Amino acid sequence: SAVISQKPSRDICQRGTSLTIQCQVDSQVTMMFWYRQQPGQSLTLIATANQGSEATYESGFVIDKFPISRPNLTFSTLTVSNMSPEDSSIYLCSVRKQGVYEQYFGPGTRLTVT
Amino acid sequence: GDSVTQMEGPVTLSEEAFLTINCTYTATGYPSLFWYVQYPGEGLQLLLKATKADDKGSNKGFEATYRKETTSFHLEKGSVQVSDSAVYFCALSEGGGGADGLTFGKGTHLIIQP
Repeated sequence: SAVISQKPSRDICQRGTSLTIQCQVDSQVTMMFWYRQQPGQSLTLIATANQGSEATYESGFVIDKFPISRPNLTFSTLTVSNMSPEDSSIYLCSVRKQGVYEQYFGPGTRLTVT
Repeated sequence: GDSVTQMEGPVTLSEEAFLTINCTYTATGYPSLFWYVQYPGEGLQLLLKATKADDKGSNKGFEATYRKETTSFHLEKGSVQVSDSAVYFCALSEGGGGADGLTFGKGTHLIIQP
């Protein structure tokens, strides 16, 4: 498994502002992912954070809205830009280690946009 | 694209009852299949996995068998406990070794009454 931390754990933000969420893993991992869980809903993949290159976004998510960085094999950030109330969700990072199939999830960041 | 369909709850059972949560999937290739669980107030945890047809994943008394012919991965437990109350998510990952992100079902809220 992996120990994953996210900062902040929760935040309340004003419409039109941006928030950067950090994800830190206790060991080097091959792949990191970012998901969104809207209230009462399932998880939706936002993007795959690629180390040393641009993130790969899923349909419906764009880099201008959700810029992602991954400077090394243990750290990634997701920024939610120009926020609106519809961005209120839990944002989770997950990791997958080399040679295993499963992903492990961080505790999530609960974002409320007012 | 890929999709996962699972029975939606809430599902309410009495303690020691038999549990089945149905999950079927649509995928273009040969996905890896997972069950994740989210206990109240906690993060998402891997419950079990199966990476090829006829594999059986098991953990904490839960089992699920990868059925390629019926594209299913139903979760079962012979005798549930109050502590099993949680939201259960069926998920799949395509790509070699599950390299892609996860596609989740909508989740099944399980309530076990004493």
